[in-house]
Amino acid sequence: DTAVSQTPKYLVTQMGNDKSIKCEQNLGHDTMYWYKQDSKKFLKIMFSYNNKELIINETVPNRFSPKSPDKAHLNLHINSLELGDSAVYFCASSQEGGKPQHFGDGTRLSIL
Amino acid sequence: AQSVTQLGSHVSVSEGALVLLRCNYSSSVPPYLFWYVQYPNQGLQLLLKYTTGATLVKGINGFEAEFKKSETSFHLTKPSAHMSDAAEYFCAVTLYSGGGADGLTFGKGTHLIIQP
Repeated sequence: DTAVSQTPKYLVTQMGNDKSIKCEQNLGHDTMYWYKQDSKKFLKIMFSYNNKELIINETVPNRFSPKSPDKAHLNLHINSLELGDSAVYFCASSQEGGKPQHFGDGTRLSIL
Repeated sequence: AQSVTQLGSHVSVSEGALVLLRCNYSSSVPPYLFWYVQYPNQGLQLLLKYTTGATLVKGINGFEAEFKKSETSFHLTKPSAHMSDAAEYFCAVTLYSGGGADGLTFGKGTHLIIQP
């Protein structure tokens, strides 16, 4: 069974569109995260949720919004996509802050 | 705020040789340290972690790392490289905030190349 699963794996779309990436974890973890990996493979935290409460909101554009319907899901919505949004987005989860994080396989977003 | 520096964006070793990937961190309080490996087109897999206690930690696939507070280092080693070790390796740090959700701060990664 996949511990952290993301859909879709690939997402190709045009500038200006709105898209969502879904993430689900079956580990029973309390905290979930979104990371962005750029073309140089640099990973940066975007958001995290702990028991449905947004804990970290780094300096990302407000076009990005995380949505958590329940503890096992943290979806990422992106409005008005721009060329610079092209990247691989990773979802992760952990039992709590400081514990090891388990990562999904990533969603490769390409903006045409 | 914490930061991580990985020396060497690319490291090349011969199969069977020692692997040494360097990681230095900066943190105002004792950090939790991790090494992750990323194979092409895959997510990140935890290799090992240091939180408290023994400073030499062993991980999966024969890797180990030693936490040296005086040097603010957490270098990753493996005695004998295998072709399957070729991947991207990331050192990461976080601060435990009593159950809060601190994200990981990553280094820029080291691409490990294994020469036959």
